Amino acid sequence: DGGITQSPKYLFRKEGQNVTLSCEQNLNHDAMYWYRQDPGQGLRLIYYSQIVNDFQKGDIAEGYSVSREKKESFPLTVTSAQKNPTAFYLCASSIAGTGMSYGYTFGSGTRLTVV
Amino acid sequence: GQNIDQPTEMTATEGAIVQINCTYQTSGFNGLFWYQQHAGEAPTFLSYNVLDGLEEKGRFSSFLSRSKGYSYLLLKELQMKDSASYLCAVRPGGYNKLIFGAGTRLAVHP
Repeated sequence: DGGITQSPKYLFRKEGQNVTLSCEQNLNHDAMYWYRQDPGQGLRLIYYSQIVNDFQKGDIAEGYSVSREKKESFPLTVTSAQKNPTAFYLCASSIAGTGMSYGYTFGSGTRLTVV
Repeated sequence: GQNIDQPTEMTATEGAIVQINCTYQTSGFNGLFWYQQHAGEAPTFLSYNVLDGLEEKGRFSSFLSRSKGYSYLLLKELQMKDSASYLCAVRPGGYNKLIFGAGTRLAVHP
């Protein structure tokens, strides 16, 4: 079955450490996205990628980095520069272009906690 | 700027009908989406509107008025499992990048 997989489900980070969240999809989607969700707030876009080897900053990219070396994979690194990284992180994918009528496919999320 | 507004919380009774409103002000418009999200889980796609009018899908319907920047999600014959957050999202145009509202937390009780 096709889908999108995020790992790990729970992640604990010490202050000052970088951590990388994994996102892999086998849906053959060109576009992939990272969102952050905080309690009482909507999903906020961190980074997105429409095609391999290309990505753009979203609304809250500071303190994060990404790579898109393969179509299937879009890992997110939360760096020590991110001052408030504790949140629920969601990865999503979709077809490229503006004809999408079925919405994103989301992964099951990674809950990151700074300890 | 881009802004999407939804009520924060709603409550309803099992078997009843509830309407969740969403208003938006965005730089462009190329579609509106509704998602359901249970606590701690990923959002799942419910509906899509790009033209004015009502889209019906079983117990769920979604309405759009582009001139008013307004949409609603209608849930009929409410069940306990419908207790969840409902997210309104707009695609302003260009890429498939979506902007999400904060979500409406719906509690269904007996």
